[in-house]
Amino acid sequence: SQQGEEDPQALSIQEGENATMNCSYKTSINNLQWYRQNSGRGLVHLILIRSNEREKHSGRLRVTLDTSKKSSSLLITASRAADTASYFCALPNTGGFKTIFGAGTRLFVKA
Amino acid sequence: EPEVTQTPSHQVTQMGQEVILRCVPISNHLYFYWYRQILGQKVEFLVSFYNNEISEKSEIFDDQFSVERPDGSNFTLKIRSTKLEDSAMYFCASSEAAQGPPLHFGNGTRLTVT
Repeated sequence: SQQGEEDPQALSIQEGENATMNCSYKTSINNLQWYRQNSGRGLVHLILIRSNEREKHSGRLRVTLDTSKKSSSLLITASRAADTASYFCALPNTGGFKTIFGAGTRLFVKA
Repeated sequence: EPEVTQTPSHQVTQMGQEVILRCVPISNHLYFYWYRQILGQKVEFLVSFYNNEISEKSEIFDDQFSVERPDGSNFTLKIRSTKLEDSAMYFCASSEAAQGPPLHFGNGTRLTVT
């Protein structure tokens, strides 16, 4: 089974700036998901993008998917201190019963 | 909004003891999962459960681990004889289907093995 690899591992920005996180993967997918985890808490689903979609928006979040490059990016615009968290891309195991998470990007937004 | 609940939030146990971690998934969900996260590390898949049986498990999920859905609402993870390296956050999740719909996670049980 495959796992997404996020880049960068950590990101520190000022409030108001945009944050971009990337995820690369190796084999074909049906969809790719992004989750957020606040420190010591469970993961919260942010957005799902299907393999036939190129871009998706949800509030201040924008996700893109390039299946030819096997990569996705998550953009958080006008970041806030409350966006400080770890962000994970997740890949459902095609034909299987599990979703595999990458190692995550730790985002720190300074007020 | 319905949520996944896990109890206890923190469990401390001695090495070699058995522990049971409990979860109440979202009521209309059919797929259930356990994940673990060692402090500061990635979220690792342990097991998925559907139709009252294990549908997939990882190499971490050895004979020391078992899962059960005893009463149609609870979903439990049992570790028979805990080791120091079992110390981690254990997350339960549920979903409506196996592929595509998002996972809904509980807030986890922090297991500390001394």
